[in-house]
Amino acid sequence: GAVVSQHPSWVICKSGTSVKIECRSLDFQATTMFWYRQFPKQSLMLMATSNEGSKATYEQGVEKDKFLINHASLTLSTLTVTSAHPEDSSFYICSAVTGTGNSPLHFGNGTRLTVT
Amino acid sequence: GENVEQHPSTLSVQEGDSAVIKCTYSDSASNYFPWYKQELGKRPQLIIDIRSNVGEKKDQRIAVTLNKTAKHFSLHITETQPEDSAVYFCAAEGALIFGKGTTLSVSS
Repeated sequence: GAVVSQHPSWVICKSGTSVKIECRSLDFQATTMFWYRQFPKQSLMLMATSNEGSKATYEQGVEKDKFLINHASLTLSTLTVTSAHPEDSSFYICSAVTGTGNSPLHFGNGTRLTVT
Repeated sequence: GENVEQHPSTLSVQEGDSAVIKCTYSDSASNYFPWYKQELGKRPQLIIDIRSNVGEKKDQRIAVTLNKTAKHFSLHITETQPEDSAVYFCAAEGALIFGKGTTLSVSS
């Protein structure tokens, strides 16, 4: 149980275009999902907390207008990287919790974004 | 806010040896401390977690100890195997704040 599916697993796009990444909880409802960014050989950096039916909470330094998050249902959150640039190239990964309070995270497979 | 420090950043051991990774945290109100294992290009996976009402938890070759007074917790892997080679992350309070990771290499 507690499967999180993330799509696409990799994407290559041209500079200036937008890319949408989907994160789905397949067998549970996730009122809260998290989006992380991970550079090579580095840790996961929390970008934002996605709450179903409300605006996402962004971490300091993360541009909300560049990284658009939508959590329209209890099983789907999307991250759109707008006007992507080469410096946005990274591994993006989502996660969700099955319970309230402190619970283990269940991660998606991640999306390798390359902006050319 | 919470700050998590993880050491060492790299750790090389021989197969069969034990490996210990330590983390410290700053927020005394933190109550949940998970450990994740991440293989190259893959998702992190929970391997063990501990809550503040216990001092130690064990699952086969993996154990975690927690010292709330000193605000540190450690991952212990015994009888290491090559497939234990990966990056290990500690986290505090629901894993919103991750340590920088430890790259464990187990050589046979």
